This record gives sequence, structure tokens and C-alpha cells, in this order.
Amino acid sequence: GQNIDQPTEMTATEGAIVQINCTYQTSGFNGLFWYQQHAGEAPTFLSYNVLDGLEEKGRFSSFLSRSKGYSYLLLKELQMKDSASYLCAVRSFRDTGFQKLVFGTGTRLLVSP
Amino acid sequence: EPEVTQTPSHQVTQMGQEVILRCVPISNHLYFYWYRQILGQKVEFLVSFYNNEISEKSEIFDDQFSVERPDGSNFTLKIRSTKLEDSAMYFCASSGTQDNYGYTFGSGTRLTVV
Repeated sequence: GQNIDQPTEMTATEGAIVQINCTYQTSGFNGLFWYQQHAGEAPTFLSYNVLDGLEEKGRFSSFLSRSKGYSYLLLKELQMKDSASYLCAVRSFRDTGFQKLVFGTGTRLLVSP
Repeated sequence: EPEVTQTPSHQVTQMGQEVILRCVPISNHLYFYWYRQILGQKVEFLVSFYNNEISEKSEIFDDQFSVERPDGSNFTLKIRSTKLEDSAMYFCASSGTQDNYGYTFGSGTRLTVV
């Protein structure tokens, strides 16, 4: 089966840096995604890692260690609009050859002034 | 930027009624998905669809659910006899290839079963 864990909730201050961790156990791993989701809205793509290391994209960076089954999303220079849920999702191969995304429970981030 | 379009945005239905949720995926995408999210819970995979057939379905996707691509543009999810526990946000998503990291999600249909 697949198991994806992330903290339920985090708080941070405007202008600060926050790191949201995600650990996973899966077979047929083929990439880890981070999505942002505001309440009542669709998930929107933030970042993607398939190889070990850090991917940087403006204020957002994501790191992956496949051997440890671990990823984190780093948000810098936090803004109030960054208050949202951050979803870790793993893409895995099935023995059918098809792939699907499986989501973690999400981390609700509250940014305060 | 291309979008996945879902209609309706809200649907209220009585228990036992049939509902059809509609999606228009991005036009050159080949892989289509339905996910659902019960309020306050995680986004759950329901079904994936490729080449006019289901490629995978979850335990949630029982005989009450079906999907169809009736023409070249629409992708529908039908729930035959809705239950209270089907109340959720339903998201459609599409991707161009399996390795394309761009799973694009629609804005969702909020289904309320009363």
C-alpha cells in the first residue's frame, strides 16, 4: 500500500521561512509533487521532484531523498496569501503500467502578521 | 493557459437520485482522472481513464459510480443512487502523458446530498 505523512497544521509569521515535511512509503515510486490548496478551491501545482536533491522555484523550493522516503517544501519570505493547505502527493507505477497520484492529508499553514 | 472546466460548480441532490458531473479536460490531454475530497479530509483518488477505458479505480469507485467520455471533449462521472456520504468536492484532472508532471485540476463540483 501507500502511506504519506505530513503534519496537520503549522503556523508562521509573515516574512519568515517555513519547512513542511513529508514522509512516504510506496512501491513503484515515480515522482513527488507539492500542491497548494486554498479552502474550497482546486489543488494547484507548486513543484515536482523525481531525482534526489533540491528544486528551486522563486520563493518555493522542494527537496527529495528517495532512499529516506522524505521530502520537504520550503517557503521563504512568507506572505499572508501563503495561508493555505499544502499537499504532498506521490506518483507511483502500478503493475498495469499506469500511474496515479496519491495525496497525503495536507498541512494547513497559517501565516500571521 | 489551458484549463480543465467542470460543471456544475455546485449540485444539491436528494439521496437516491442520480447525478452526472461534467468535465472538459485540456484538449490534447490523454489521461483523465476523478478525485474527491470530503470536507476537511484528504484528496482521494477515484478513477483514471485512458483510451476510452478505465485504467485503474479505487475501492471507493464501486458499482454506483461510472465514467464516460461520450464525445471528444467531455468526461463525465455518474453516481447512480447518491448516498449522504457521497457529499464531497469532486475534482477532475487531466494530463498529457504519464510522465508529464502537469496534472491539471479543474475547479471542482461541490456535491451535497440531502
